Amino acid sequence: DTGVSQNPRHKITKRGQNVTFRCDPISEHNRLYWYRQTLGQGPEFLTYFQNEAQLEKSRLLSDRFSAERPKGSFSTLEIQRTEQGDSAMYLCASSSTSDGPADEKLFFGSGTQLSVL
Amino acid sequence: AQSVTQLGSHVSVSEGALVLLRCNYSSSVPPYLFWYVQYPNQGLQLLLKYTTGATLVKGINGFEAEFKKSETSFHLTKPSAHMSDAAEYFCAVDMLSGATNKLIFGTGTLLAVQP
Repeated sequence: DTGVSQNPRHKITKRGQNVTFRCDPISEHNRLYWYRQTLGQGPEFLTYFQNEAQLEKSRLLSDRFSAERPKGSFSTLEIQRTEQGDSAMYLCASSSTSDGPADEKLFFGSGTQLSVL
Repeated sequence: AQSVTQLGSHVSVSEGALVLLRCNYSSSVPPYLFWYVQYPNQGLQLLLKYTTGATLVKGINGFEAEFKKSETSFHLTKPSAHMSDAAEYFCAVDMLSGATNKLIFGTGTLLAVQP
């Protein structure tokens, strides 16, 4: 168990550019979540996958955001035409549902810090 | 609207003193409640969670929390603070009672421990 891995750790980009982040969950975890955290706030739910299916998207996720989990393993989050308001820490988490909802536990990665200039 | 409120964005205690971090929630359905801790440059780590059953929940590192339905509270306590407890703590609620880990987080409480 190597934990949830997120790359890159930091990304600085200019307004209008596209960026892509990658998340590698704990192996055999069937659920994968994306959250966003801005300074002074708690994490906010963005979207989640069960295996390769994206089951829910928050209203926070505008059309410029797209997430994929093509083979039910790693996931990517792409932001097109970045805006300064997209500057935040993007957190990935994974979990396994094999033991039932009461025992499901989220494991978070260290996040990708995005700065849009 | 579903929400979580953490009272006190910064709490400072002396080493060995009681730690009390406050969390209140609003919900129309029985919630699952969580406390997470975030150390600098690390991911969020689950301290403890309440689902059903016993209202006093014990977690890692000597922390515990009590679910009080009448007060809609889930305060986090530790009898004796240690320097290593300095971190940011987040209370969260899963309004779908575990159907997903779609969590609503509070704004966090930064705990400082003075020697």
